[in-house]
Amino acid sequence: AQSVSQHNHHVILSEAASLELGCNYSYGGTVNLFWYVQYPGQHLQLLLKYFSGDPLVKGIKGFEAEFIKSKFSFNLRKPSVQWSDTAEYFCALLTGGYNKLIFGAGTRLAVHP
Amino acid sequence: GAGVSQTPSNKVTEKGKYVELRCDPISGHTALYWYRQSLGQGPEFLIYFQGTGAADDSGLPNDRFFAVRPEGSVSTLKIQRTERGDSAVYLCASSSYGEVISYNEQFFGPGTRLTVL
Repeated sequence: AQSVSQHNHHVILSEAASLELGCNYSYGGTVNLFWYVQYPGQHLQLLLKYFSGDPLVKGIKGFEAEFIKSKFSFNLRKPSVQWSDTAEYFCALLTGGYNKLIFGAGTRLAVHP
Repeated sequence: GAGVSQTPSNKVTEKGKYVELRCDPISGHTALYWYRQSLGQGPEFLIYFQGTGAADDSGLPNDRFFAVRPEGSVSTLKIQRTERGDSAVYLCASSSYGEVISYNEQFFGPGTRLTVL
């Protein structure tokens, strides 16, 4: 079955702390993975995406994610978070002939100044 | 506008009523998607249009849900005989669809929050 799981539902950090949000997937086809972010009161926005090639993907605002095929993982990282990173983060898998996103349940990140 | 727009932003209805939710995709985007996001969950796929036709409606939960895109642009999601369990945020996304996989980035609208009393 196709699925995406995110391990942490709520994460609280202080500014300048390092961030790692877990994402694992289950899928037998070609793997295309995304991280989306939803800031308070705003719509979903793409942070970064992996289609092929270098498994370390860099996105906007200093975020990066590493695709580890052997672990079925695509964890999101940022070395030093800011208060403005407070948001909900969703990992997603592209399936169905590249027309359907399967999302994880999301991780709410709160960054305290 | 530059992005995907959805109307209304909020809709409150009574159980058993009919509702329509509208999505205006980014101009020129041929692919359009509807997702539903329940409280505490990630978005869940409902239906995908390529042009005017529904290419994949496998996510529609039952026959009370129907969506159209008659001219290949604006789409309407229709829900008949609404139930309390239909309460959620309904998201629309659009993408340009071509041979190159990287064009499949989906751009999301702000959503319509549906509350069924």
